[in-house]
Amino acid sequence: DVKVTQSSRYLVKRTGEKVFLECVQDMDHENMFWYRQDPGLGLRLIYFSYDVKMKEKGDIPEGYSVSREKKERFSLILESASTNQTSMYLCASTVPGVKTQYFGPGTRLLVL
Amino acid sequence: GEDVEQSLFLSVREGDSSVINCTYTDSSSTYLYWYKQEPGAGLQLLTYIFSNMDMKQDQRLTVLLNKKDKHLSLRIADTQTGDSAIYFCAERRSGGSYIPTFGRGTSLIVHP
Repeated sequence: DVKVTQSSRYLVKRTGEKVFLECVQDMDHENMFWYRQDPGLGLRLIYFSYDVKMKEKGDIPEGYSVSREKKERFSLILESASTNQTSMYLCASTVPGVKTQYFGPGTRLLVL
Repeated sequence: GEDVEQSLFLSVREGDSSVINCTYTDSSSTYLYWYKQEPGAGLQLLTYIFSNMDMKQDQRLTVLLNKKDKHLSLRIADTQTGDSAIYFCAERRSGGSYIPTFGRGTSLIVHP
């Protein structure tokens, strides 16, 4: 079974802090994604990566950056957290072929 | 308008059938997916259908695809309280993009 894990289930941070969200997948997938999920808005793509050291902006990259130094790990960075970044963050990786996405359990981030 | 549209809520009685509907705009969609998200968890792939199929059945789940109307539905037979979740429809288009487009999700509420 594909496993996508995220470093924290819940995080509480203060405005202005630098925040790291980590995602690891164990199936050697090339493609990895970061989404945020907000009530009534569904999933919005922040960044994705199709290979090590490669990254592409999604629909809402402002205020975020990413890092992909190893194939299995994709990190989302909030350089200076703000209250409007309070959200559920979901990481996913893609299965080759039908390209279904496997999701991690999510990190619920609260920025005070 | 949005690329993938779903109604936000559906309420059914336990034991009844649930039908969750989705419309999409791109006729070049190759794969269409249904994901389930239980409270506090990430998305889990339920099923997918290739665009040259009309129907796919998997135990209590039936997926119907009407390509002419660009309409996808998910029927859950004998709905149980454990089926209460948010259901996301997603499409993947042809042309090499591996990024699915998600609907906003339908919250299914199952009551006794």
